[in-house]
Amino acid sequence: GAVVSQHPSWVICKSGTSVKIECRSLDFQATTMFWYRQFPKQSLMLMATSNEGSKATYEQGVEKDKFLINHASLTLSTLTVTSAHPEDSSFYICSANDVAGLGKLFFGSGTQLSVL
Amino acid sequence: AQSVTQPDIHITVSEGASLELRCNYSYGATPYLFWYVQSPGQGLQLLLKYFSGDTLVQGIKGFEAEFKRSQSSFNLRKPSVHWSDAAEYFCAVGTNTGGFKTIFGAGTRLFVKA
Repeated sequence: GAVVSQHPSWVICKSGTSVKIECRSLDFQATTMFWYRQFPKQSLMLMATSNEGSKATYEQGVEKDKFLINHASLTLSTLTVTSAHPEDSSFYICSANDVAGLGKLFFGSGTQLSVL
Repeated sequence: AQSVTQPDIHITVSEGASLELRCNYSYGATPYLFWYVQSPGQGLQLLLKYFSGDTLVQGIKGFEAEFKRSQSSFNLRKPSVHWSDAAEYFCAVGTNTGGFKTIFGAGTRLFVKA
């Protein structure tokens, strides 16, 4: 079946540094990828929708300059948390929408970010 | 605005007992409805989905869900729960207004006792 690979699975960084998270669709093309954030014991919260070749669409309340999203190809989207702070510590997960299957979403395994 | 409500934060059932997880949604058009399961340390896995047609949908692992338009509900059921079913379950609505995206409910944590 379709696979979405997300790396790294966990990362620890110092406050003020930037962290890049990659989301790859391994065996299908994804014109649209989604980035979610999940706080403990809470649901996933959609952060932004990443469209290949265009600017990402951010949800209300999500800082565009803080969470940079690049979707340069049909198989890769990246989320960069810039100047990370402890409050950015969270679980980040991406999902990809298979071009050939409307509504079929495949999820990465997520990235646990801890900012010290 | 679209929204998904899962009223139960957590549920505990005995192994072998039946299970029903509730999900209500708010969406003006016909929704795409999903149930996902998230096991610890793993990504979300799709259990089943409803797009159209038969309102009783069969999924993997013995789960089923029934779409009831009049109640704006899409409850997940399983006749006999196994210990391995313990996980977090998310109901989600796929909307196609201004682009397709999925909105998740808050999730229901299922505990299974022996």
